Amino acid sequence: AQSVTQPDIHITVSEGASLELRCNYSYGATPYLFWYVQSPGQGLQLLLKYFSGDTLVQGIKGFEAEFKRSQSSFNLRKPSVHWSDAAEYFCAVGYNNDMRFGAGTRLTVKP
Amino acid sequence: DAGVTQSPTHLIKTRGQQVTLRCSPKSGHDTVSWYQQALGQGPQFIFQYYEEEERQRGNFPDRFSGHQFPNYSSELNVNALLLGDSALYLCASSLERLAGIFNEQFFGPGTRLTVL
Repeated sequence: AQSVTQPDIHITVSEGASLELRCNYSYGATPYLFWYVQSPGQGLQLLLKYFSGDTLVQGIKGFEAEFKRSQSSFNLRKPSVHWSDAAEYFCAVGYNNDMRFGAGTRLTVKP
Repeated sequence: DAGVTQSPTHLIKTRGQQVTLRCSPKSGHDTVSWYQQALGQGPQFIFQYYEEEERQRGNFPDRFSGHQFPNYSSELNVNALLLGDSALYLCASSLERLAGIFNEQFFGPGTRLTVL
Protein backbone atom coordinates (compact mmCIF):
# COMPACT_ATOMS: atom_id res chain seq x y z
CA ALA A 1 0.00 0.00 0.00
CA GLN A 2 1.15 3.53 -0.71
CA SER A 3 2.19 5.36 2.43
CA VAL A 4 4.25 8.18 3.89
CA THR A 5 5.79 7.73 7.31
CA GLN A 6 7.22 10.34 9.59
CA PRO A 7 8.60 8.29 12.48
CA ASP A 8 9.03 11.17 14.91
CA ILE A 9 5.84 12.69 16.27
CA HIS A 10 7.63 15.35 18.29
CA ILE A 11 11.21 16.61 18.30
CA THR A 12 12.80 19.16 20.61
CA VAL A 13 16.07 20.87 19.71
CA SER A 14 17.98 23.77 21.17
CA GLU A 15 18.21 26.99 19.23
CA GLY A 16 21.34 26.90 17.09
CA ALA A 17 21.48 23.11 17.02
CA SER A 18 21.17 21.10 13.84
CA LEU A 19 17.93 19.41 12.83
CA GLU A 20 16.96 16.34 10.85
CA LEU A 21 13.35 15.30 10.31
CA ARG A 22 12.80 11.87 8.86
CA CYS A 23 10.45 10.82 6.09
CA ASN A 24 10.03 7.44 4.45
CA TYR A 25 7.68 6.58 1.64
CA SER A 26 6.32 3.44 0.08
CA TYR A 27 5.34 3.76 -3.55
CA GLY A 28 5.72 1.72 -6.69
CA ALA A 29 7.88 4.26 -8.48
CA THR A 30 9.85 7.36 -7.61
CA PRO A 31 7.24 9.88 -6.61
CA TYR A 32 7.38 13.61 -6.35
CA LEU A 33 8.45 14.59 -2.83
CA PHE A 34 7.66 17.64 -0.76
CA TRP A 35 8.21 19.16 2.65
CA TYR A 36 5.69 21.64 4.05
CA VAL A 37 5.66 23.66 7.23
CA GLN A 38 2.53 24.68 9.10
CA SER A 39 2.35 27.17 11.92
CA PRO A 40 -0.57 26.91 14.36
CA GLY A 41 -3.87 27.76 12.69
CA GLN A 42 -2.20 28.39 9.36
CA GLY A 43 -2.18 26.72 5.96
CA LEU A 44 0.71 24.85 4.40
CA GLN A 45 3.87 26.58 3.25
CA LEU A 46 6.09 24.73 0.80
CA LEU A 47 9.68 24.44 2.01
CA LEU A 48 11.13 22.45 -0.86
CA LYS A 49 10.35 19.79 -3.44
CA TYR A 50 12.08 17.04 -5.38
CA PHE A 51 10.97 16.00 -8.82
CA SER A 52 14.19 14.68 -10.41
CA GLY A 53 17.87 15.47 -10.84
CA ASP A 54 20.18 16.43 -8.01
CA THR A 55 19.15 14.44 -4.95
CA LEU A 56 20.12 17.24 -2.56
CA VAL A 57 17.46 19.91 -2.71
CA GLN A 58 17.72 23.42 -1.28
CA GLY A 59 14.63 25.13 0.03
CA ILE A 60 13.54 28.28 1.76
CA LYS A 61 14.47 29.37 5.28
CA GLY A 62 17.80 27.51 5.10
CA PHE A 63 16.27 24.03 4.82
CA GLU A 64 17.53 21.25 2.60
CA ALA A 65 16.47 17.67 1.96
CA GLU A 66 18.15 14.63 0.47
CA PHE A 67 16.39 12.01 -1.60
CA LYS A 68 17.80 8.51 -1.10
CA ARG A 69 16.18 6.06 -3.47
CA SER A 70 17.77 3.01 -1.86
CA GLN A 71 16.27 3.93 1.50
CA SER A 72 12.99 5.38 0.17
CA SER A 73 13.72 8.41 2.30
CA PHE A 74 13.52 12.16 1.95
CA ASN A 75 14.86 13.64 5.18
CA LEU A 76 14.73 17.33 5.94
CA ARG A 77 17.73 19.08 7.47
CA LYS A 78 18.76 22.45 8.77
CA PRO A 79 22.25 23.18 10.12
CA SER A 80 21.17 25.75 12.73
CA VAL A 81 17.63 26.01 14.03
CA HIS A 82 16.03 29.34 14.89
CA TRP A 83 13.25 29.83 17.43
CA SER A 84 10.93 30.82 14.57
CA ASP A 85 11.28 27.32 13.09
CA ALA A 86 9.00 25.91 15.78
CA ALA A 87 6.04 24.49 13.85
CA GLU A 88 4.57 21.31 12.41
CA TYR A 89 6.40 19.77 9.47
CA PHE A 90 4.77 17.52 6.90
CA CYS A 91 6.39 15.30 4.35
CA ALA A 92 4.24 14.59 1.32
CA VAL A 93 4.33 12.48 -1.79
CA GLY A 94 2.69 13.33 -5.07
CA TYR A 95 1.76 10.35 -7.18
CA ASN A 96 -0.72 10.29 -10.06
CA ASN A 97 -3.37 12.82 -9.15
CA ASP A 98 -3.21 13.25 -5.42
CA MET A 99 -0.88 14.00 -2.57
CA ARG A 100 -0.36 11.79 0.44
CA PHE A 101 0.88 13.35 3.63
CA GLY A 102 2.67 11.98 6.62
CA ALA A 103 1.21 12.50 10.07
CA GLY A 104 3.62 15.33 10.74
CA THR A 105 6.46 16.07 13.14
CA ARG A 106 6.04 18.82 15.67
CA LEU A 107 9.23 20.78 16.26
CA THR A 108 9.84 22.55 19.54
CA VAL A 109 12.83 24.87 19.84
CA LYS A 110 14.39 25.42 23.26
CA PRO A 111 16.08 28.75 23.99
CA ASP B 1 -0.97 36.98 -9.41
CA ALA B 2 -3.43 35.75 -6.81
CA GLY B 3 -2.77 32.39 -5.31
CA VAL B 4 -5.38 29.94 -4.17
CA THR B 5 -8.12 31.61 -2.16
CA GLN B 6 -10.71 30.01 0.09
CA SER B 7 -13.83 31.24 1.80
CA PRO B 8 -14.93 31.53 4.45
CA THR B 9 -11.94 31.57 6.77
CA HIS B 10 -13.85 30.13 9.70
CA LEU B 11 -17.23 28.51 10.02
CA ILE B 12 -19.25 27.15 12.91
CA LYS B 13 -22.08 24.70 12.32
CA THR B 14 -24.13 22.29 14.40
CA ARG B 15 -24.54 18.57 13.93
CA GLY B 16 -26.84 17.59 11.11
CA GLN B 17 -26.42 20.83 9.22
CA GLN B 18 -24.98 21.21 5.76
CA VAL B 19 -21.99 23.36 4.79
CA THR B 20 -20.48 24.70 1.58
CA LEU B 21 -16.87 25.76 1.29
CA ARG B 22 -15.47 27.64 -1.67
CA CYS B 23 -12.17 27.72 -3.48
CA SER B 24 -10.74 29.81 -6.28
CA PRO B 25 -7.69 28.26 -7.94
CA LYS B 26 -4.45 29.98 -8.74
CA SER B 27 -4.65 31.91 -11.99
CA GLY B 28 -4.17 29.57 -14.95
CA HIS B 29 -4.90 26.41 -13.02
CA ASP B 30 -7.69 24.08 -14.08
CA THR B 31 -7.69 21.36 -11.44
CA VAL B 32 -8.85 21.59 -7.84
CA SER B 33 -8.27 19.13 -5.03
CA TRP B 34 -9.72 19.16 -1.54
CA TYR B 35 -8.11 17.89 1.65
CA GLN B 36 -9.31 17.49 5.21
CA GLN B 37 -6.87 18.09 8.03
CA ALA B 38 -8.12 17.03 11.45
CA LEU B 39 -6.41 18.46 14.49
CA GLY B 40 -2.99 16.95 15.03
CA GLN B 41 -3.01 15.03 11.76
CA GLY B 42 -1.74 15.42 8.24
CA PRO B 43 -4.07 16.45 5.42
CA GLN B 44 -6.10 13.67 3.85
CA PHE B 45 -7.20 13.70 0.24
CA ILE B 46 -10.97 14.03 -0.26
CA PHE B 47 -11.36 14.36 -4.02
CA GLN B 48 -10.15 16.14 -7.13
CA TYR B 49 -12.08 17.97 -9.82
CA TYR B 50 -11.00 18.42 -13.41
CA GLU B 51 -13.12 19.53 -16.36
CA GLU B 52 -16.05 19.96 -13.97
CA GLU B 53 -16.05 16.30 -13.00
CA GLU B 54 -14.83 14.38 -9.99
CA ARG B 55 -11.79 12.57 -11.26
CA GLN B 56 -10.46 10.86 -8.16
CA ARG B 57 -11.74 10.32 -4.67
CA GLY B 58 -10.20 9.42 -1.35
CA ASN B 59 -11.77 7.40 1.41
CA PHE B 60 -14.59 9.76 2.33
CA PRO B 61 -18.33 9.04 2.53
CA ASP B 62 -20.90 10.32 0.06
CA ARG B 63 -21.82 13.08 2.50
CA PHE B 64 -18.82 14.83 1.01
CA SER B 65 -19.54 16.11 -2.45
CA GLY B 66 -18.19 18.80 -4.68
CA HIS B 67 -18.58 20.81 -7.77
CA GLN B 68 -16.34 22.59 -10.22
CA PHE B 69 -17.56 25.54 -12.24
CA PRO B 70 -16.60 26.57 -15.79
CA ASN B 71 -14.24 29.19 -14.36
CA TYR B 72 -12.45 26.33 -12.50
CA SER B 73 -13.52 27.46 -9.05
CA SER B 74 -14.84 24.76 -6.80
CA GLU B 75 -17.15 24.05 -3.89
CA LEU B 76 -16.98 21.38 -1.24
CA ASN B 77 -20.30 20.39 0.30
CA VAL B 78 -20.70 18.34 3.43
CA ASN B 79 -24.15 17.10 4.43
CA ALA B 80 -25.40 15.81 7.77
CA LEU B 81 -22.43 17.20 9.64
CA LEU B 82 -20.86 15.13 12.38
CA LEU B 83 -18.67 16.30 15.23
CA GLY B 84 -15.82 14.45 13.56
CA ASP B 85 -16.07 16.68 10.50
CA SER B 86 -14.48 19.50 12.49
CA ALA B 87 -11.21 20.17 10.69
CA LEU B 88 -9.22 22.51 8.51
CA TYR B 89 -10.30 22.05 4.90
CA LEU B 90 -7.60 22.80 2.39
CA CYS B 91 -8.02 23.45 -1.28
CA ALA B 92 -5.18 22.95 -3.73
CA SER B 93 -5.00 23.81 -7.40
CA SER B 94 -2.83 22.57 -10.22
CA LEU B 95 -2.50 22.72 -13.99
CA GLU B 96 -3.18 19.55 -15.89
CA ARG B 97 -0.21 19.05 -18.17
CA LEU B 98 -0.08 15.35 -18.85
CA ALA B 99 -2.46 12.65 -17.80
CA GLY B 100 -1.12 10.06 -15.42
CA ILE B 101 1.65 12.15 -13.88
CA PHE B 102 1.63 14.31 -10.84
CA ASN B 103 1.08 18.00 -11.43
CA GLU B 104 2.35 20.17 -8.59
CA GLN B 105 -0.38 21.45 -6.30
CA PHE B 106 -0.55 24.87 -4.66
CA PHE B 107 -2.47 25.17 -1.40
CA GLY B 108 -4.82 27.79 -0.09
CA PRO B 109 -4.93 28.96 3.55
CA GLY B 110 -7.84 26.69 4.43
CA THR B 111 -11.27 26.99 6.00
CA ARG B 112 -11.56 26.08 9.64
CA LEU B 113 -14.86 24.24 10.22
CA THR B 114 -16.11 23.67 13.74
CA VAL B 115 -19.10 21.39 14.27
CA LEU B 116 -20.86 21.73 17.63
